[in-house]
Amino acid sequence: AQTVTQSQPEMSVQEAETVTLSCTYDTSESNYYLFWYKQPPSRQMILVIRQEAYKQQNATENRFSVNFQKAAKSFSLKISDSQLGDTAMYFCAFMKHEGGSEKLVFGKGTKLTVNP
Amino acid sequence: KAGVTQTPRYLIKTRGQQVTLSCSPISGHRSVSWYQQTPGQGLQFLFEYFSETQRNKGNFPGRFSGRQFSNSRSEMNVSTLELGDSALYLCASSPHLAGGGETQYFGPGTRLLVL
Repeated sequence: AQTVTQSQPEMSVQEAETVTLSCTYDTSESNYYLFWYKQPPSRQMILVIRQEAYKQQNATENRFSVNFQKAAKSFSLKISDSQLGDTAMYFCAFMKHEGGSEKLVFGKGTKLTVNP
Repeated sequence: KAGVTQTPRYLIKTRGQQVTLSCSPISGHRSVSWYQQTPGQGLQFLFEYFSETQRNKGNFPGRFSGRQFSNSRSEMNVSTLELGDSALYLCASSPHLAGGGETQYFGPGTRLLVL
């Protein structure tokens, strides 16, 4: 069964600094998709970044980038120049294929606090 | 485009009652998925609908059901509510194009409290 592990329940960072959130996953599939979602106190789940496993290039979105290590099954998120608005829960997710359907399998999340 | 909308946003029910939650996907999106979020279990997949058909269901009892209409709007129903059903219920939509791996876009959720 696919599992997603986020080993850091909570992290904090100073405004303008860089922080890296860890995520490992377990799968026997060779082609898959990984996601980072952000959930601020409003509870709205917002896509941060998406990675396709068959692409070796790490995905980036402005201040957000990933370090995707397929062999190690690792998918960490780096946030550069942290801003107060980055304070949120961050969820790593694996997209699992099941009989023509797809579902997201989430990790337990990392609570990130950006301090002024 | 307008985002995914969910109604109601908050709901208080008592044990034994039933509840219906509604989700309107992003215009043009044909796949709708539902997730339950609780502090103890985290985010868990409930079910996914496409073209008015349930294509996948998570490990939840039969009290949890859903449906999708021809305009892609979806509802989920929980009958005989239990205290443990208190949760944030999130709906997500995706376009369902060829290739798979599409991003799921989430609504703001419905927070259900069962007393």
